[in-house]
Order: sequence, then C-alpha cells, then structure tokens
Amino acid sequence: AQRVTQPEKLLSVFKGAPVELKCNYSYSGSPELFWYVQYSRQRLQLLLRHISRESIKGFTADLNKGETSFHLKKPFAQEEDSAMYYCALSGWGESNYQLIWGAGTKLIIKP
Amino acid sequence: DTGVSQNPRHKITKRGQNVTFRCDPISEHNRLYWYRQTLGQGPEFLTYFQNEAQLEKSRLLSDRFSAERPKGSFSTLEIQRTEQGDSAMYLCASTDTSSYNEQFFGPGTRLTVL
Repeated sequence: AQRVTQPEKLLSVFKGAPVELKCNYSYSGSPELFWYVQYSRQRLQLLLRHISRESIKGFTADLNKGETSFHLKKPFAQEEDSAMYYCALSGWGESNYQLIWGAGTKLIIKP
Repeated sequence: DTGVSQNPRHKITKRGQNVTFRCDPISEHNRLYWYRQTLGQGPEFLTYFQNEAQLEKSRLLSDRFSAERPKGSFSTLEIQRTEQGDSAMYLCASTDTSSYNEQFFGPGTRLTVL
C-alpha cells in the first residue's frame, strides 16, 4: 500500500536548536518525495523536493531508500520556521502525479 | 495572475443541500487537482484533470461528488445532498510540466455542514 507516515503530530524545540521532522514512506515503485509547508494563515507551498537536492531556508532532506525515509532537517531552528510541515510522495513517471500525503507535523520554535 | 484562487472561501450549509465550489488555476497550468483535508490530517486526493479531461477519481469519492473542468480552465466541484461528514477544507492545486510537478495550491474552501 502507498503510504506516508509522519510519526510526530507536534514537535517543539528552542530557537537555535537542531530540528528533524521525520517522514517514512511505503511505495512499490520509484517515488518522488516532497516537503510542503503551511505557515499560519497562508496556503500550502512547496518547501523542497528530493530530486533537486537543494537547501531551502536552511532545510535539507535526503532520500534514504534503504530505510524508506525522507527526514527534514535544519541545524539551527529559527522562530519563523514555526509552521505545519507535510511530507508527500508521487510516483515517478506516473501520468497523474497524484500526491499522497502524511498527516503533518506542527513545528513550534520556542524563543 | 496571482496564483490559484478558490471561491467561496467559506461555505456553511444545511445537511441535504447541494454546494458548488470553484477553482481558478494558474492560467498556463494544464493539470488541476482537488483534495480534501480534515482536521489533523494531510490532504486527501479526490480527483485530477488534464486540460478538460477528468483522468482519475478517488475510489473513496462518493457519487454525490462531481467535478468538471469545461474548456480546460476553471474547475467546479459539486457536492449533492451534503452530509455532516463532508465538512472539511477543499483544496485545489494546479501544475504543468514546466513546473516539474510542483503543485501550486489555492487557499481552500472551508465547508461546514450543519
């Protein structure tokens, strides 16, 4: 079954501390993995995707096919990082690019 | 073009009534998606259009739900005989090949069925 699991509903860390938001997936083919973010009162927006291998706002994520994980990391959290974070996947090369979503993790950065 | 827009932003209706939502995608995007999101959950796929063709519909989608995308531009999602369980945020997203599968989301329509 195709599934994305984000085990933490809530993650609270102090400003300046490292952050890791966990994402595990189950998919039979070759997945494309994404992290989307939703700041307060804003719409969902793409944060980063595994194929681009870039760092956005200091966040990085590495696809680990052996562990079927795509954890989001940032070495030093900032207050403006507080938001809902969703991990999602789509089937690479599939025609519809339907996204399968995790339940989301609410990240709170304490001052 | 300032992005994907959705109307109305909020809709309160009584059980049994029909409701219709509209989505205007980014103008050059040929793919359009509808998702539903309930509290504490991620978005759930409902249906997908490529241009005017509805190519996929979730098996979870009741036949009370219907979507159209005439002329391949805006899309409407209609829910007939609404039930309290239909209360959710309905999200629309659009993309095309030049966006490399990045889906751009609208602000959503929040439906409350009393």
